[in-house]
Amino acid sequence: GNSVTQMEGPVTLSEEAFLTINCTYTATGYPSLFWYVQYPGEGLQLLLKATKADDKGSNKGFEATYRKETTSFHLEKGSVQVSDSAVYFCALSRSGNTPLVFGKGTRLSVIA
Amino acid sequence: GAGVSQSPSNKVTEKGKDVELRCDPISGHTALYWYRQSLGQGLEFLIYFQGNSAPDKSGLPSDRFSAERTGGSVSTLTIQRTQQEDSAVYLCASSQGVTGTYGYTFGSGTRLTVV
Repeated sequence: GNSVTQMEGPVTLSEEAFLTINCTYTATGYPSLFWYVQYPGEGLQLLLKATKADDKGSNKGFEATYRKETTSFHLEKGSVQVSDSAVYFCALSRSGNTPLVFGKGTRLSVIA
Repeated sequence: GAGVSQSPSNKVTEKGKDVELRCDPISGHTALYWYRQSLGQGLEFLIYFQGNSAPDKSGLPSDRFSAERTGGSVSTLTIQRTQQEDSAVYLCASSQGVTGTYGYTFGSGTRLTVV
């Protein structure tokens, strides 16, 4: 079946550190891939997406590249800030309007 | 409206009571989704509506759960005879088109606590 696996958290980093949150997927066909972010007390927000192999999604300094050969969509940021502290969810969409399949989320805490 | 609106934001109920959770999607969004977020469990898909088509109920965990969407807009998720394991944050999302292209816009959720 279709599934998403994320690295377990929590991840704790110092401000200005480099961030990588790993995400791998299992899917039939060619899914679209997403990262969502949930700040404390808020709903999920779309952070970035990629719809085909080798696409790079980027937003707010975050990047992720759709790697079909490794079935991965790792999230990276070169220099994290305290305000990036949140839970990050990787997700895939198979086709049409079928529901997104989410990973379990990775909690990131950035300390000053 | 400008975003997806959910109400109430918090609900405490006694075990065995019925609850109704409301979702008001973004105007014009044809697809509407309900998910449940439990601590440490990620997001669990419950049900989705697409236009006038029959809803996909494949994620509903038991027959105590049901949902409807009236007039292609507002949706209500009903949980009958609530149990403590129903305690979670219930999230609603809507989409303007093909999920793979647009993704979702989520509401802030309803935190349900069953005591």
